[in-house]
Amino acid sequence: DAGITQSPRYKITETGRQVTLMCHQTWSHSYMFWYRQDLGHGLRLIYYSAAADITDKGEVPDGYVVSRSKTENFPLTLESATRSQTSVYFCASSVRGESYEQYFGPGTRLTVT
Amino acid sequence: AQKVTQAQTEISVVEKEDVTLDCVYETRDTTYYLFWYKQPPSGELVFLIRRNSFDEQNEISGRYSWNFQKSTSSFNFTITASQVVDSAVYFCALSEGPSGGSNYKLTFGKGTLLTVNP
Repeated sequence: DAGITQSPRYKITETGRQVTLMCHQTWSHSYMFWYRQDLGHGLRLIYYSAAADITDKGEVPDGYVVSRSKTENFPLTLESATRSQTSVYFCASSVRGESYEQYFGPGTRLTVT
Repeated sequence: AQKVTQAQTEISVVEKEDVTLDCVYETRDTTYYLFWYKQPPSGELVFLIRRNSFDEQNEISGRYSWNFQKSTSSFNFTITASQVVDSAVYFCALSEGPSGGSNYKLTFGKGTLLTVNP
């Protein structure tokens, strides 16, 4: 099916563990984004990518690593998970950057214990 | 720095009432883009509309309408004859143009929770 998917949808992990959240889109959109959604903070940009092999930091990048070797995939890795990273993570993609709407995946609910 | 304010944290209405969700934005750029997204209880984020700063025409799509006023830096969203299925969190968002230095960052307001009661 065309669209943007995220996996896993739910994840529980322990403090200090590494965890990778996957994002895949089938539209061949150039831009991809990772956001986290927390009560009281709305959605905040973690990292974004303008194309394969081009990534840049967003508003809250600390503790996260991204890569983009293929246009369609944009994984987000928490190198050593902390409780403050408990959140709902959304991946999004866009044809272009600022002027085009972003389409969001279904989200991954991550709990760090 | 760009900023979006949705002053209404929660709104509760009875079905068939009209409701307006307010959005006020701040930007120093002359080229920018405004968006509304809907997040129903199921959690996904659904794109509703995009507006660029050069187009102040109001837009109507079925029961939804948007009022963009640059003079007051507002981009308000009205639902006419609300329905229970409209219950959701609605987010307003802003993206600056290339000269704004935002690097394609989409800045969201904190959202307005709309509850439509039968």
